[in-house]
Amino acid sequence: GQNIDQPTEMTATEGAIVQINCTYQTSGFNGLFWYQQHAGEAPTFLSYNVLDGLEEKGRFSSFLSRSKGYSYLLLKELQMKDSASYLCAVKGYSTLTFGKGTMLLVSP
Amino acid sequence: GAGVSQSPSNKVTEKGKDVELRCDPISGHTALYWYRQSLGQGLEFLIYFQGNSAPDKSGLPSDRFSAERTGGSVSTLTIQRTQQEDSAVYLCASSLAGAFNTDTQYFGPGTRLTVL
Repeated sequence: GQNIDQPTEMTATEGAIVQINCTYQTSGFNGLFWYQQHAGEAPTFLSYNVLDGLEEKGRFSSFLSRSKGYSYLLLKELQMKDSASYLCAVKGYSTLTFGKGTMLLVSP
Repeated sequence: GAGVSQSPSNKVTEKGKDVELRCDPISGHTALYWYRQSLGQGLEFLIYFQGNSAPDKSGLPSDRFSAERTGGSVSTLTIQRTQQEDSAVYLCASSLAGAFNTDTQYFGPGTRLTVL
């Protein structure tokens, strides 16, 4: 089976940097995804990691360590619109298993 | 259309009634997934289609839940004899190549189901 843990809530200030951690235990691993979900909206794809290391995409970066079962999403130069839930999801043999999401609140 | 669409966007029903939820995937996407998201919970996988067949339906919570896909496109999720615990947002996603590929899944806006 799959087990994915991430913090329930985080707060940060506009312009700051925040790191959202995700740890996982899986019976199969074919990559880790991060999605962003604004309240009442569909999740939207942010990043994908399958090899160890850092993937950078503008203000967002995602890191993966397969040996540690650990990933993080790094958000830089936070903006108010970044207030949302961030979902960590692990691809097993066939499907995605999602964590419960981390609600990020960005304040002025 | 450009993205995944779902209908209806909201559905209120009485306990014991049957409901049908519809998903139109992105054109050309062969894989289609149904998830359920309850308040305070993560996305819960229900069923996956590759073309018209469902190789993985392990997430369906009971035999009241069923789904079909026709023409490799539109899918319908049916919940029979709805219960209050079925209240949730039902999300559909599609991807280009399927579950055994690392293709990104793209989500629809969801159907919010409320069972009174």
